[in-house]
Amino acid sequence: GQQVMQIPQYQHVQEGEDFTTYCNSSTTLSNIQWYKQRPGGHPVFLIQLVKSGEVKKQKRLTFQFGEAKKNSSLHITATQTTDVGTYFCAGKSGANNLFFGTGTRLTVIP
Amino acid sequence: IAGITQAPTSQILAAGRRMTLRCTQDMRHNAMYWYRQDLGLGLRLIHYSNTAGTTGKGEVPDGYSVSRANTDDFPLTLASAVPSQTSVYFCASSDSGFGNEQFFGPGTRLTVL
Repeated sequence: GQQVMQIPQYQHVQEGEDFTTYCNSSTTLSNIQWYKQRPGGHPVFLIQLVKSGEVKKQKRLTFQFGEAKKNSSLHITATQTTDVGTYFCAGKSGANNLFFGTGTRLTVIP
Repeated sequence: IAGITQAPTSQILAAGRRMTLRCTQDMRHNAMYWYRQDLGLGLRLIHYSNTAGTTGKGEVPDGYSVSRANTDDFPLTLASAVPSQTSVYFCASSDSGFGNEQFFGPGTRLTVL
């Protein structure tokens, strides 16, 4: 069945270093969403990508959607302690589904 | 504006007991969802409702039921709780269906003993 794999599961970085998390789907996606969940909190929507090859930026965050619409990435430049949390991708491929990746937990060491 | 509220915040439940998790949104969103979050497994969809009066099964529906009598409320019922249902449960809503931004509630931490 539909699966969205996300790697790495954990990432520890020194403050100021860059961070990237990757999502891969077994099927072509109609769109992909990204969410951030702070420790003890709930997922909060970051962005949605729809077009093949799409790239969107939010300040230090860069989101990409692959040409085949089967993979996506989130890159954070110069991490800050406020970036701490778990980042989830969520892929949609049919009318009534949204499959979340397992998440990447980011720890930023000051 | 509260957004989405969930109750209770946490609950410890004996196996075999019936439990209803409550979810209410004040954004007049058409679609609502229930997810469970387990360590290492991310968020998995239990049930969803695209509009009041309709519901559908998600990825892990067994042991759970939902109803959507009106736009605002989407309760999740565990008819006879089992320890494997120990999890954090999140309710979410979106303006219209899965292709839109989902707004999540604060979650309910459920422990079944």
